Amino acid sequence: GENVEQHPSTLSVQEGDSAVIKCTYSDSASNYFPWYKQELGKRPQLIIDIRSNVGEKKDQRIAVTLNKTAKHFSLHITETQPEDSAVYFCAASIWETSYDKVIFGPGTSLSVIP
Amino acid sequence: GAVVSQHPSWVICKSGTSVKIECRSLDFQATTMFWYRQFPKQSLMLMATSNEGSKATYEQGVEKDKFLINHASLTLSTLTVTSAHPEDSSFYICSAKFGFTGELFFGEGSRLTVL
Repeated sequence: GENVEQHPSTLSVQEGDSAVIKCTYSDSASNYFPWYKQELGKRPQLIIDIRSNVGEKKDQRIAVTLNKTAKHFSLHITETQPEDSAVYFCAASIWETSYDKVIFGPGTSLSVIP
Repeated sequence: GAVVSQHPSWVICKSGTSVKIECRSLDFQATTMFWYRQFPKQSLMLMATSNEGSKATYEQGVEKDKFLINHASLTLSTLTVTSAHPEDSSFYICSAKFGFTGELFFGEGSRLTVL
């Protein structure tokens, strides 16, 4: 089955700096890679996702890159703000199949210092 | 986006009792829902995949007789923790996959405390 690893487990950056979180996956059949943000005591929320037919996707300050050959993908947050502080989870799945499970990485706790 | 509602948001029960948690997709039909367990400061651990009209698929190590899952309709899945013990205390969260995009929408989560 799929296994997703994520690094670092904790990340602290100064406000305005960039943050990068990296993930690897094991199942070459996976082709959908979402990133979720979870604030303390709240449900995870999708912030960006990427499918295997593209190598990069950007949405304002957030970007995700995918290297299918190496089976790794990364989240990049630029111009970080205190409200970006949260736990971020990467995940892997097969998006065409409704029944396919989504496997999450262990998470990265991001702290943005004002 | 789509809305998934989970109830109750928190529950306290005595050891040995059973607790039922409901997960509803409010504005879309979900043939598949997923149940996760989350320990403090840890990731979302997939417990089982709930399929409408058929048996749930449990992940390795998850006791199917302890965690009963029923997906009776396209908008409702339930998780029943049977004969709960203190070690079952945790945050349980459900999600539904929106078929079109593959995006997962999560319920609010249910915090279970077993005394």
